[in-house]
Amino acid sequence: AIQMTQSPSSLSASVGDRVIITCRASQGIGNDLGWYQQKPGKVPKVLIYAASTLQSGVPSRFSGSRSGTDFTLTINGLQPEDFATYYCLQDYNYPWTFGQGTKVEIK
Amino acid sequence: QVQLVESGGGVVQPGGSLRLSCAASGFIFSDYGMHWVRQAPGKGLEWVSFIRHDGSEKYYPETVKGRFTTSRDNSKNTLYLQINSLRTEDTAMYYCAILGQLDYWGQGTLVTVSS
Repeated sequence: AIQMTQSPSSLSASVGDRVIITCRASQGIGNDLGWYQQKPGKVPKVLIYAASTLQSGVPSRFSGSRSGTDFTLTINGLQPEDFATYYCLQDYNYPWTFGQGTKVEIK
Repeated sequence: QVQLVESGGGVVQPGGSLRLSCAASGFIFSDYGMHWVRQAPGKGLEWVSFIRHDGSEKYYPETVKGRFTTSRDNSKNTLYLQINSLRTEDTAMYYCAILGQLDYWGQGTLVTVSS
């Protein structure tokens, strides 16, 4: 199975900061990666699919990129509503696998 | 609007079985592959199964293969997850979902494995 190594596991940031979260795949997965946001007590929702395509309705401060097997979620100008846990998910082949998650907390 | 409603969770002893259901509405259920995802209390997301729109193919991670079986009844717009030989580490919220660009999740059903 493809392993997704996500980092950091947590971070503290202030409103307005740029936040970068990364996922590294254990093998090539093309652009078959999504980024999900989960707030406490809520179900996850997709922010980005196909590595860099912004889901409809998601603010443009969120962006995704890929370099080889490394994937990045960037939040430009962190907002109070962005404090949450973020996960990557590879959908290149089965079994699909999530990263371990990154909890973004208020500094 | 799309609705996914899970049911069937509960408290079960180790070694027991449960069948979870996911009732779908608001879309053509037979057109979509469906996933189950679980989340242990305070832990991350774990993908646990997929079934193609027509039930012809199913996939599982090694952690549940042989104990979990996903199925569907397109005439009833319902997805199922049969869980056998339950272990304490199977304690989690179980979500049914359509994943990807079309992203819909149910609210989950809680499975607690405890003696």
